[in-house]
Amino acid sequence: NAGVTQTPKFRILKIGQSMTLQCAQDMNHNYMYWYRQDPGMGLKLIYYSVGAGITDKGEVPNGYNVSRSTTEDFPLRLELAAPSQTSVYFCASSYSRGATEAFFGQGTRLTVV
Amino acid sequence: KNEVEQSPQNLTAQEGEFITINCSYSVGISALHWLQQHPGGGIVSLFMLSSGKKKHGRLIATINIQEKHSSLHITASHPRDSAVYICAVQSPNKLIFGTGTLLAVQP
Repeated sequence: NAGVTQTPKFRILKIGQSMTLQCAQDMNHNYMYWYRQDPGMGLKLIYYSVGAGITDKGEVPNGYNVSRSTTEDFPLRLELAAPSQTSVYFCASSYSRGATEAFFGQGTRLTVV
Repeated sequence: KNEVEQSPQNLTAQEGEFITINCSYSVGISALHWLQQHPGGGIVSLFMLSSGKKKHGRLIATINIQEKHSSLHITASHPRDSAVYICAVQSPNKLIFGTGTLLAVQP
């Protein structure tokens, strides 16, 4: 199993550009999450999904969009990138939202200049 | 005040030392996770526990639900243990993360 695969690993964007961060998991997990990690802060939840076709906002959703057309894929879309979106992004998945192990991707380091 | 507090924020140890990282939380939880993040790398789950103690190799995690406190211990530390260790609590259906403890083990 590959687990959770994120691409790209690094990206530099100019202000106002758009991009999609890809996330795929092969564990047949229903629950998938996008987090951002900023220096000196704990990971913050951007969006999550409880299954194909269902998504919901987390703590910091502004400036982002997601879709979940299949169980495996959960892309994160940045529209009109801003410097405040410079961060490290992690995708994660779990079998449920309760007390179960979460599996994380390798992260995407995004810089907006 | 953060709902999940870790201490220390930074820790430098000599190879072979016994290391303890602490996590305190202020919310009701169903489970607590210890995660490891290597520089430039992804996040790996080390433990998930809801009571008592778990051991995996040189790593031991304990939790005291009444005191809302957990500790991660590393015995016979090694430079390859150098990483950020993150405590996260499940409360109730979302994960709340601590800010992490940066551990450097020097040879």
